[in-house]
Amino acid sequence: EPEVTQTPSHQVTQMGQEVILRCVPISNHLYFYWYRQILGQKVEFLVSFYNNEISEKSEIFDDQFSVERPDGSNFTLKIRSTKLEDSAMYFCASSELGGADYGYTFGSGTRLTVV
Amino acid sequence: LAKTTQPISMDSYEGQEVNITCSHNNIATNDYITWYQQFPSQGPRFIIQGYKTKVTNEVASLFIPADRKSSTLSLPRVSLSDTAVYYCLVGAVNDYKLSFGAGTTVTVRA
Repeated sequence: EPEVTQTPSHQVTQMGQEVILRCVPISNHLYFYWYRQILGQKVEFLVSFYNNEISEKSEIFDDQFSVERPDGSNFTLKIRSTKLEDSAMYFCASSELGGADYGYTFGSGTRLTVV
Repeated sequence: LAKTTQPISMDSYEGQEVNITCSHNNIATNDYITWYQQFPSQGPRFIIQGYKTKVTNEVASLFIPADRKSSTLSLPRVSLSDTAVYYCLVGAVNDYKLSFGAGTTVTVRA
């Protein structure tokens, strides 16, 4: 079964540093997403990406965050000037087509700890 | 986005059938109903999706009554490995963001 691969699985960073979380979506999928889940809380939507541009973003996804598809396979989330409250599991997802009428495939996540 | 309501938790035993009902009274005509499963420290996993009546796959069944104001996820003969959080989501073809609620924590005991 095709998988969404995320690296690293764990990342510890100091407050104020920049981190890049990496994802390899399923190869024939066209829509890509980032979600996050703070420990003990709900899974929250951050951003959706299609055709090399952001199609939708949440209020959480402010200027501190950016996404990029630097090549044909990777999809990255950059978090600048990390804060303690950015500590969370970050999940990448992809879908063949966009919209809630399609199932999304999520990766296993990157646990980000900001100290 | 239609709001969903589902039980916070359910307990079951191995080999039993687990039915989780989700209420979505203000579901719109072009909304689909999707269920995801999440294990601790893992990403959500798509289980099943439907629009109306009944959908069945190798993992679960989804029952949707004619008024579509609720849906029931049925997990047949659960095992310990089915212990997880189950989310009911409602969204339309042009909804790119999935809205996860608190989900239902299903605990399967031996």
